[in-house]
Amino acid sequence: EPEVTQTPSHQVTQMGQEVILRCVPISNHLYFYWYRQILGQKVEFLVSFYNNEISEKSEIFDDQFSVERPDGSNFTLKIRSTKLEDSAMYFCASSSESSNQPQHFGDGTRLSIL
Amino acid sequence: GNSVTQMEGPVTLSEEAFLTINCTYTATGYPSLFWYVQYPGEGLQLLLKATKADDKGSNKGFEATYRKETTSFHLEKGSVQVSDSAVYFCALTNYGQNFVFGPGTRLSVLP
Repeated sequence: EPEVTQTPSHQVTQMGQEVILRCVPISNHLYFYWYRQILGQKVEFLVSFYNNEISEKSEIFDDQFSVERPDGSNFTLKIRSTKLEDSAMYFCASSSESSNQPQHFGDGTRLSIL
Repeated sequence: GNSVTQMEGPVTLSEEAFLTINCTYTATGYPSLFWYVQYPGEGLQLLLKATKADDKGSNKGFEATYRKETTSFHLEKGSVQVSDSAVYFCALTNYGQNFVFGPGTRLSVLP
């Protein structure tokens, strides 16, 4: 079964540095998402992306964050000037349609800010 | 806005016990409802879904029925196994809007 893959599985970064989290969505999917899960807390929506632009973003997704689909396969989340509170699991997801279809999730990247 | 409420965990059961994890939602219109499972150290996996009222989603012995009259989507399993130990998330999406997740319920099954 096709999978969403995320790299790296664990990223450790000094506070203030920039990080790029990478995702390869399922190949025929058109809708892409990033979510965040702070340890022990709920999964929070960050941003959705379709047709090479952001279709929706949450209040968490401020100017510190950006997303990009640099080629036909990758979908990246960039966090500039990381803060301690950015430490979390970041999940990428994709779906074939936007209307009420399940999203397929990657295994996540654990981001640790020191 | 849309929201999902789940029963507080953790839930601890003995092997072969009956499981119910309650989930209720608030949404306009007719959302689709999902249960996702997160095993230790892993990502979110779709467990089952239901897209309209009275639909029953089922997978791996788990079931949940979309009850519009009570705005609920309770997860049930007749006989849990140790391998079912995980965190279970109820979620909804409404006509292309982003997914909204409940807070998760941690299930521990003891041998």
